[in-house]
Amino acid sequence: EVQLVESGGGLVQPGGSLGLSCAVSGFTFRSFEMNWVRQAPGKGLEWVSHIDTGGSSTHYADSVKGRFAVSRDNANDSLFLQINSLRAEDTAVYYCVRGDTGGRFDYWGQGTPVTVSS
Amino acid sequence: EIVMTQSPATLSVSPGDRATLSCRASQSVGTKLAWLQQKRGQAPRLLIFGASIRTAGLPGRFSGSGSGTEFTLTITNLQSEDFAVYYCHQYSNWPDTFGQGTKLEIK
Repeated sequence: EVQLVESGGGLVQPGGSLGLSCAVSGFTFRSFEMNWVRQAPGKGLEWVSHIDTGGSSTHYADSVKGRFAVSRDNANDSLFLQINSLRAEDTAVYYCVRGDTGGRFDYWGQGTPVTVSS
Repeated sequence: EIVMTQSPATLSVSPGDRATLSCRASQSVGTKLAWLQQKRGQAPRLLIFGASIRTAGLPGRFSGSGSGTEFTLTITNLQSEDFAVYYCHQYSNWPDTFGQGTKLEIK
């Protein structure tokens, strides 16, 4: 069974940092591209970041470029998102999402909430 | 960036009836269009990809159609578990974008 379990969310002050993690199981992690997608309270879905299978190619939404950094550890089946210089508008549930070879987002974690507030 | 527009924002339908949800892309995405379902307090779940291909185990009452810029998700014989928010997602062009969602509620 495919599982993606995020952790690391919490309450942080504006300008602060957090490190999110996603532990996966049930599939060959190193063979799949991965994404982070977020959802602000009561709002829709926003793609945040993508990383290729080897970790050498990354992409970011303009809203987070320069502040967020995605990485992965294929040896330990884990995905990470380092989020820096946090703003109130970064408050959201952050989902770890598997991207299959066709580009569709086929499996989603349960999400980890990030709240940016003083 | 491709803008995805869903209509209506809210759709009230009676159980057993048919629901038709629409999604329009600001430019062609071919058939690289997916539909996701999100129930309250849960993560989104992929229902349909390639505009019309159902995921394994998805009941046949769900069907997707369209290509280019106009897409439709049709749900027939609505069951209580179908009332949720539905999002379309284009994965044709970077960055991936989503519609704002259609809330399907019980009439």
